[in-house]
Amino acid sequence: GDSVTQMEGPVTLSEEAFLTINCTYTATGYPSLFWYVQYPGEGLQLLLKATKADDKGSNKGFEATYRKETTSFHLEKGSVQVSDSAVYFCALNVRGAQKLVFGQGTRLTINP
Amino acid sequence: DAGVIQSPRHEVTEMGQEVTLRCKPISGHDYLFWYRQTMMRGLELLIYFNNNVPIDDSGMPEDRFSAKMPNASFSTLKIQPSEPRDSAVYFCASGEGPSGNTIYFGEGSWLTVV
Repeated sequence: GDSVTQMEGPVTLSEEAFLTINCTYTATGYPSLFWYVQYPGEGLQLLLKATKADDKGSNKGFEATYRKETTSFHLEKGSVQVSDSAVYFCALNVRGAQKLVFGQGTRLTINP
Repeated sequence: DAGVIQSPRHEVTEMGQEVTLRCKPISGHDYLFWYRQTMMRGLELLIYFNNNVPIDDSGMPEDRFSAKMPNASFSTLKIQPSEPRDSAVYFCASGEGPSGNTIYFGEGSWLTVV
């Protein structure tokens, strides 16, 4: 079945550090890929998405590139801030089925 | 634009009581989803609707759970009778077809069953 695997958390970094959160997927067909972010006490918000191979999604300094050859969609940011502390979810949406399949989430804490 | 609206935001109830969670999706969206989030199991899709019709309810844990969508602007998730293991955050989300479009989440209903 379709699935998403994220790097184990929690992840703790210092402010201005470089961030990578790994995400790989298994899917039949060609999925769309998403990163959602959840701040404490809130719902999930879309961070970025990519709908086809080699597309790069970007938002708020975060980037992720849809790599079909490695079935990956790793999230990166060049310089993190304390306000980036949250839980990050990678997800896929298989064509023909609107529902999202989520990874387990990665909790990120940024220390000043 | 108003986002997905859920109520109640917080509920504490005693075991055995009926719980009803409510959701108003974003106007114009034809898909509605109910998710449950727990520390142990992460985010689980319970059920989703397309044009008010349930499409996949395979994630509904057992007969104590039921969901309805009587019209395009309202859905309910009911638990009867509730049990402590139902304690979780329940999210409603909505989206517009076709697949690949963004799904928007509400702020969640935080349920505690004691």
